[in-house]
Amino acid sequence: NAGVMQNPRHLVRRRGQEARLRCSPMKGHSHVYWYRQLPEEGLKFMVYLQKENIIDESGMPKERFSAEFPKEGPSILRIQQVVRGDSAAYFCASFRLAGAPGTQYFGPGTRLTVL
Amino acid sequence: DQQVKQNSPSLSVQEGRISILNCDYTNSMFDYFLWYKKYPAEGPTFLISISSIKDKNEDGRFTVFLNKSAKHLSLHIVPSQPGDSAVYFCAASGERDDKIIFGKGTRLHILP
Repeated sequence: NAGVMQNPRHLVRRRGQEARLRCSPMKGHSHVYWYRQLPEEGLKFMVYLQKENIIDESGMPKERFSAEFPKEGPSILRIQQVVRGDSAAYFCASFRLAGAPGTQYFGPGTRLTVL
Repeated sequence: DQQVKQNSPSLSVQEGRISILNCDYTNSMFDYFLWYKKYPAEGPTFLISISSIKDKNEDGRFTVFLNKSAKHLSLHIVPSQPGDSAVYFCAASGERDDKIIFGKGTRLHILP
């Protein structure tokens, strides 16, 4: 986990508000994955980003969710008009291309609670 | 459709004994299988992986066995230690940089 930073660690939002989750990858990593873990579930893939490019967003809900990874700064997962069902732990993982399997390094996660 | 299944939500094992965590998968196209360990309030940590062309990989106290014909893999921890108490996720991926498909996890309790 060392090196991948996520903030905030805990985020509380009321229904209808926006949630912004940030992920700073490990130094030298230019690829980021976002996963969501619902209660009593495994982690589910949401989106795979390269700097300034979305590689695979097949796991993202069609509405209200967006992600970016700008040239400078952290990757952002944005959830608009949050609903109670968005309450979950959101993890990002960074990866250096051509790494061996298992070299996605996970951050500590952001726990989102929607009231 | 759950492609990676961990059918035991929890497992309790005496300290010093062997812990065996099981996992089944449905997609025969997976190239790699991985085990992650997760403590509360932390992200998953990679533990060990195995390529689909192998049937065993060992790293210290951890050994992963793959039975492709049965689409089954298992993680053996021996001897089990108190610090092994955590949630263990079985996972699978296609290419090296492909998204990882996770199982729901098995909570391992090591009893003193």
